[in-house]
Amino acid sequence: DTGVSQNPRHKITKRGQNVTFRCDPISEHNRLYWYRQTLGQGPEFLTYFQNEAQLEKSRLLSDRFSAERPKGSFSTLEIQRTEQGDSAMYLCASIDRGLVQETQYFGPGTRLLVL
Amino acid sequence: AQSVSQHNHHVILSEAASLELGCNYSYGGTVNLFWYVQYPGQHLQLLLKYFSGDPLVKGIKGFEAEFIKSKFSFNLRKPSVQWSDTAEYFCASNRRGSYGGSQGNLIFGKGTKLSVKP
Repeated sequence: DTGVSQNPRHKITKRGQNVTFRCDPISEHNRLYWYRQTLGQGPEFLTYFQNEAQLEKSRLLSDRFSAERPKGSFSTLEIQRTEQGDSAMYLCASIDRGLVQETQYFGPGTRLLVL
Repeated sequence: AQSVSQHNHHVILSEAASLELGCNYSYGGTVNLFWYVQYPGQHLQLLLKYFSGDPLVKGIKGFEAEFIKSKFSFNLRKPSVQWSDTAEYFCASNRRGSYGGSQGNLIFGKGTKLSVKP
């Protein structure tokens, strides 16, 4: 399977714990996006990387959130001191910046439940 | 600021009925427009996209959408739905880059759930 993969697919944690999610983009896609989707809403942008550089962060990304893409391949999203409001589906998408009509390809998401 | 609105939260149709899902965008510049579909238990998949050219865009599975610039709309249509079209449909946009491609993250609407009765 050469699509975007995300791990874990589901995560249940207690309030106050830290969690980390991983995204593996399509090989050689140089741009990677993180989105968050809550019930009844469309995905909302969190942050994106061009290779290993984090170029933009949304206001949704509080100080408790941090994302990395150390070698320009996979990316991790960490949430520290989780809160119940962090419960959501976290989506990753990748894109080949070299194409004119670029399309974001989405992974299956990680569903987070904070108890 | 850029925004996308979808008018219908939940649409219920019988098989063979025609479908039209509304989508309006708001942005002062030029945008690219997309429709994504999420089948139950599956990830978001691209149905079709509009960057430039013919405003009537054909996508997969018999779907099409028409970009009407004067109405800021990009409605999704299908002449005859099937039970397998039951899914959630998301309209999205992003800014057109200076070279004609995409620029920036996608802005999504809230989605429309489509239920097709067999």
